[in-house]
Amino acid sequence: DAGITQSPRHKVTETGTPVTLRCHQTENHRYMYWYRQDPGHGLRLIHYSYGVKDTDKGEVSDGYSVSRSKTEDFLLTLESATSSQTSVYFCAISEAMTVNTEAFFGQGTRLTVV
Amino acid sequence: RKEVEQDPGPFNVPEGATVAFNCTYSNSASQSFFWYRQDCRKEPKLLMSVYSSGNEDGRFTAQLNRASQYISLLIRDSKLSDSATYLCVVSGGTGGFKTIFGAGTRLFVKA
Repeated sequence: DAGITQSPRHKVTETGTPVTLRCHQTENHRYMYWYRQDPGHGLRLIHYSYGVKDTDKGEVSDGYSVSRSKTEDFLLTLESATSSQTSVYFCAISEAMTVNTEAFFGQGTRLTVV
Repeated sequence: RKEVEQDPGPFNVPEGATVAFNCTYSNSASQSFFWYRQDCRKEPKLLMSVYSSGNEDGRFTAQLNRASQYISLLIRDSKLSDSATYLCVVSGGTGGFKTIFGAGTRLFVKA
């Protein structure tokens, strides 16, 4: 299995609080992604990174920010958590962003905003 | 209309059955197609890529029909261990990086 670790694995937080999720990889892959998965929607891309300090928005980026200060770490921050951000969050990595490139996923973080 | 659509199921089949899943996509410029498997409360993992000529991996066969914009996954001789959610993934096309995941089709194989 690809070396991807997400932390925390589970978190319950209150509305309005900031939350940071961490993704750590040991594969030295250039590309990293944050997805959220909700029933009926599949995985939706929040943000992605194509290098240290290089990030871009995905289709559901509102309310989220990211940072990548090192190749191995990609942080996702919810500045002020809302109940609509209750979801399962997956980090993924890939060697390239070209077509036919496999993405490897972390084990996911279950976030509940109450 | 969603960019990638799948029948959510669930499909309930007995061991040994043949089951087929279809997936339709809306972007005719899409270039790459995959099936991922996701076990309950686990992360998605690549099952197989889908090529225009069709491809087979053991009991699994994937087909692509570009004209009709759908891909399919056929599982023969179903095993209990095939029980999972199968995600259709479509990648590429115009407008920069774009990989779209379908919502998944749930499969239950029963003894």
